[in-house]
Amino acid sequence: DAMVIQNPRYQVTQFGKPVTLSCSQTLNHNVMYWYQQKSSQAPKLLFHYYDKDFNNEADTPDNFQSRRPNTSFCFLDIRSPGLGDAAMYLCATSPEPQGSVEQYFGPGTRLTVT
Amino acid sequence: GENVEQHPSTLSVQEGDSAVIKCTYSDSASNYFPWYKQELGKGPQLIIDIRSNVGEKKDQRIAVTLNKTAKHFSLHITETQPEDSAVYFCAEGLGSNYQLIWGAGTKLIIKP
Repeated sequence: DAMVIQNPRYQVTQFGKPVTLSCSQTLNHNVMYWYQQKSSQAPKLLFHYYDKDFNNEADTPDNFQSRRPNTSFCFLDIRSPGLGDAAMYLCATSPEPQGSVEQYFGPGTRLTVT
Repeated sequence: GENVEQHPSTLSVQEGDSAVIKCTYSDSASNYFPWYKQELGKGPQLIIDIRSNVGEKKDQRIAVTLNKTAKHFSLHITETQPEDSAVYFCAEGLGSNYQLIWGAGTKLIIKP
C-alpha cells in the first residue's frame, strides 16, 4: 500500500547529542512536511519542502534542519536537542502545497531527550 | 489573525449515542475544512472533509456540516463505538496558502 513511513518509531537521545529522524513516502507527492506535536496538542508545522524548495516557518528554531535528497525521502535533523524538544515528530505529504488538499501523515517518531 | 476554535476539549458519550464536535474559523476566504482522527501513538488520519461550496457531507456514521455565514463547521458521529475513542482535530485551509490552521483538538471518550 502507498504510505508515509517514519523511522524509527521511538528515538531516545541525550541532551545536546545530534539526532536524525527519517521519513519516506511511496505516494510520489511533491510536498513533504515536518510537524512537531506535544501532549495531544495540535501539530505545529516546522517546515516543508515543495519539490526541492525548502520553506521554513518563521518560528522554527535554528536547531532544526531538514534535508530532502530525493522525492521519496526527507530527514529532520536536530543539531543540539534540548529537553523541550521531546515530542512526537510527524511527517506528512501532499500532492501540492495548498491548504485545500489532504495531507497524509506518517505514524510519527516519539523523541525522548534524556 | 487566523484561528480555529474547537469545542469541547473533552467529550464523553455512552456507546451508541451521538457525538458532536464544533469548530469556528475566522478567515472567510477559507475553502477547505478537514477533520482528522488521531489514535494514541499514531499520526492523524483524515476521516472526512468538506469544501466551501457544500453545506453537508456524510460518510456512513460520520457527517460534517458547514455554515459559511456563521463560520462554523461541525463533526457528527452517530452510533458511537469503542473504536471511535481518539483525539479529533478540525482544521481550515485555503487554496492559496500551503498551511492548515488546526483546532486544539477534542478527546472523545466512548463509555461502554
